[in-house]
Amino acid sequence: EVQLVQSGAEVKKPGESLRISCKGSGYSFTNYWISWVRQMPGKGLEWMGRIDPSDSYTNYSPSFQGHVTLSADKSISTAYLQWSSLKASDTAMYYCARDDYGDYIWGVWGQGTLVTVSS
Amino acid sequence: NFMLTQPHSVSESPGKTVTISCTGNSGSIASNYVQWYQQRPGSAPTTVIYENNQRPSGVPDRFSGSIDSSSNSASLTIAGLKTEDEADYYCQSYDSSNVIFGGGTKLTVL
Repeated sequence: EVQLVQSGAEVKKPGESLRISCKGSGYSFTNYWISWVRQMPGKGLEWMGRIDPSDSYTNYSPSFQGHVTLSADKSISTAYLQWSSLKASDTAMYYCARDDYGDYIWGVWGQGTLVTVSS
Repeated sequence: NFMLTQPHSVSESPGKTVTISCTGNSGSIASNYVQWYQQRPGSAPTTVIYENNQRPSGVPDRFSGSIDSSSNSASLTIAGLKTEDEADYYCQSYDSSNVIFGGGTKLTVL
């Protein structure tokens, strides 16, 4: 079964760093781009960016460029989303998703990781 | 900037048919594929339509998608509504290496 399994919920303080993960299984991880999508509490979906796990090439939404970093470790079939200095406004659910049907067209989604940033 | 506009909410009775619209504000919505995602409360999104009108395996044929170039809009139609269809629905497309979502439509089946 093809799956994307994300790391568990996190509670952090403003200014702290964080890396969350998305592990692919049941398929060749390097064959599909992985995107990250943010959903703030009670709000809609926002695309953050994506990474090609085969070579770690990335492209970011202009809204998130410079605020987060995408990376991947193909040896363990895992993609990462990280922050160097969290803000309260980073509180959200974060989803990873696989480009199944073409660029920016997702089929498989992770279950989501809730990040709470509060002092 | 390219934007997609959806109605905030729609409601319909079980067994009926409902259509959710997604209207582009500029350019041609037909220039790139439109996808539709269903998100039930407390769950991750799932894909119900991709490439304007294609259904992933496992999605019932009660779900259909279409594009109307004359109104620069996409539509998701759900026939034979079931209570389990109650969810938020998001349209999505892309433009110049950026991805755009509609604001989402809350479907109530009552």
